[in-house]
Amino acid sequence: AQKVTQAQTEISVVEKEDVTLDCVYETRDTTYYLFWYKQPPSGELVFLIRRNSFDEQNEISGRYSWNFQKSTSSFNFTITASQVVDSAVYFCALKQGTALIFGKGTTLSVSS
Amino acid sequence: DVKVTQSSRYLVKRTGEKVFLECVQDMDHENMFWYRQDPGLGLRLIYFSYDVKMKEKGDIPEGYSVSREKKERFSLILESASTNQTSMYLCASSFSGRAYEQFFGPGTRLTVL
Repeated sequence: AQKVTQAQTEISVVEKEDVTLDCVYETRDTTYYLFWYKQPPSGELVFLIRRNSFDEQNEISGRYSWNFQKSTSSFNFTITASQVVDSAVYFCALKQGTALIFGKGTTLSVSS
Repeated sequence: DVKVTQSSRYLVKRTGEKVFLECVQDMDHENMFWYRQDPGLGLRLIYFSYDVKMKEKGDIPEGYSVSREKKERFSLILESASTNQTSMYLCASSFSGRAYEQFFGPGTRLTVL
């Protein structure tokens, strides 16, 4: 069965701290896609990144970086020098057919 | 920019009422999805549609039905609302070749009393 686990329910940090959000997945597919979405307080999920199973290169986009490791079935997300605007719920997801399987989400609170 | 709109941000209904949640997208996407989001459970797929009049059950279709008469519109129907359907409902859409990149609406928070 396909499954996405985000073990951290809530994380609280102070501005400028680095924070890593963990994501572990299970799949029997050899080709698969993983994603991260952000849900700010406004409620609308925002697509952040997609990674396919053939590409294990780490990705960096500004203060955001993603570490994909097939050996440990993990796709972790790091925010460097966190800001208050990073406060949101973050979801990791795995593509299953046409739809996505989401983890339960990690609520990140960044205080000033 | 892709725009996915949902008819209401907040909705309060009574047990047994028939409830319609509407979703409209303006990017000619083939796929549309309905999820519900509950604390501690994340997002769970209720139904999705890959074309007009086509639909597929998701993980939790019980108590729901859907309708897609036009490409841009996907409706979620609660035939007889129950209190356990109190939740946040999120609509999403995507191109058929890019089903992984879903664009979400702002959500409808439904309370069933």
